[in-house]
Amino acid sequence: DIQMTQSPSSLSASVGDRVTITCRASQSINSYLNWYQQKPGKAPKTLIYAASSLQSGVPSRFSGSGSGTDFTLTIGSLQPEDFATYYCQQSHSTPYIFGQGTKLEIK
Amino acid sequence: QVQLQESGPGLVKPSGTLSLTCVVSGDSISSNNWWNWVRQPPGKGLEWIGEIYHSGSANYNPSLKSRVTISVDKSKNQFSLKLTSVTAADTAVYYCARGLGASTPNYWGQGTLVTVSS
Repeated sequence: DIQMTQSPSSLSASVGDRVTITCRASQSINSYLNWYQQKPGKAPKTLIYAASSLQSGVPSRFSGSGSGTDFTLTIGSLQPEDFATYYCQQSHSTPYIFGQGTKLEIK
Repeated sequence: QVQLQESGPGLVKPSGTLSLTCVVSGDSISSNNWWNWVRQPPGKGLEWIGEIYHSGSANYNPSLKSRVTISVDKSKNQFSLKLTSVTAADTAVYYCARGLGASTPNYWGQGTLVTVSS
């Protein structure tokens, strides 16, 4: 199985900050990487698919980059509604594995 | 737009079978997509359960493979999950989703909580 490691596991930031979350795969997954945002009691919301493609309706302050084993999700300028938990997921091969999550909290 | 809706019993007895259905709207279950199940125990992360194609071909998480069956009903535009011999460890919110293994936009249902308890 391809394992996914996210860092950090938690992060405190302020409105307006630029934030980066990292995801590392245990082997190359090319660009087969999705990013999700999840708020308490809600389903995951797709932000980025194929490492860097923005899902329709997602604000442009979200961006994804990387290929191979190292990927990043960047939020350009944090908004109050962005405080949530973020997950990466490899879509290269089954079983599709999710990262352990990064909880983004208000400083 | 593509929408998915899970349904099924919210309470299952230990050693019983968990059965859920996902109804798809805004897309055909026979389109070129794989249809997935994912679960999330309370307070924990996301676990992929498996996926199915409209042909009936399926892939399962090895950790659950002996207990899981995913099937598709093209006449009703839906797909289903069966998980046998459940224990309290199977208590989770269960989500259905489209296309988690593709390089295309993916979509999720709102999720349904299933509790395993006597």
